[in-house]
Amino acid sequence: RKEVEQDPGPFNVPEGATVAFNCTYSNSASQSFFWYRQDCRKEPKLLMSVYSSGNEDGRFTAQLNRASQYISLLIRDSKLSDSATYLCAVNILRTVIQGAQKLVFGQGTRLTINP
Amino acid sequence: DADVTQTPRNRITKTGKRIMLECSQTKGHDRMYWYRQDPGLGLQLIYYSFDVKDINKGEISDGYSVSRQAQAKFSLSLESAIPNQTALYFCATSDYETQYFGPGTRLLVL
Repeated sequence: RKEVEQDPGPFNVPEGATVAFNCTYSNSASQSFFWYRQDCRKEPKLLMSVYSSGNEDGRFTAQLNRASQYISLLIRDSKLSDSATYLCAVNILRTVIQGAQKLVFGQGTRLTINP
Repeated sequence: DADVTQTPRNRITKTGKRIMLECSQTKGHDRMYWYRQDPGLGLQLIYYSFDVKDINKGEISDGYSVSRQAQAKFSLSLESAIPNQTALYFCATSDYETQYFGPGTRLLVL
């Protein structure tokens, strides 16, 4: 079983729709969780961190379910510009070095928003 | 100017050749990373470094080596390139929460 798994998609949804992705992780000791966005042939960029209490940034909501070991990303009122690949990342590193990360990435979920 | 730069951006080389990919950052971060990305496989960690004197192997370090010449520079070497090292390579730095990626180096090994 992969340490971090995502449905690779592709997801094709109409503009204005709500779309949700899940990402499962196998290491129960995982410390922190993130969603990154990657546009075609570009570098990944942090979209949002995923906190235990969940967090929301505009149309984007991220949730963490430690009991079932998954994180989710919800995009409401999707825009054409949301078309991208969404990567989940899990920090599996336990260290006294504050902020040090060893991220394991999922393979990414490709999203296309259609006009 | 970009905070994390990678050179070269594209490279074609032949099997058995030695090649070095370079990464520089102006963000002042101690932590730097090298990843490779293959279609459908996501990002895989090759090596990481938490400061100049610290080098750690990642998931797929075989066939690769690194050098942390200074806080701002972290280079990746393929001592004897092979075709299955054809991939997109990213360098990254991190602060307390975010990893900042360079633009990537597209490597083709013939």
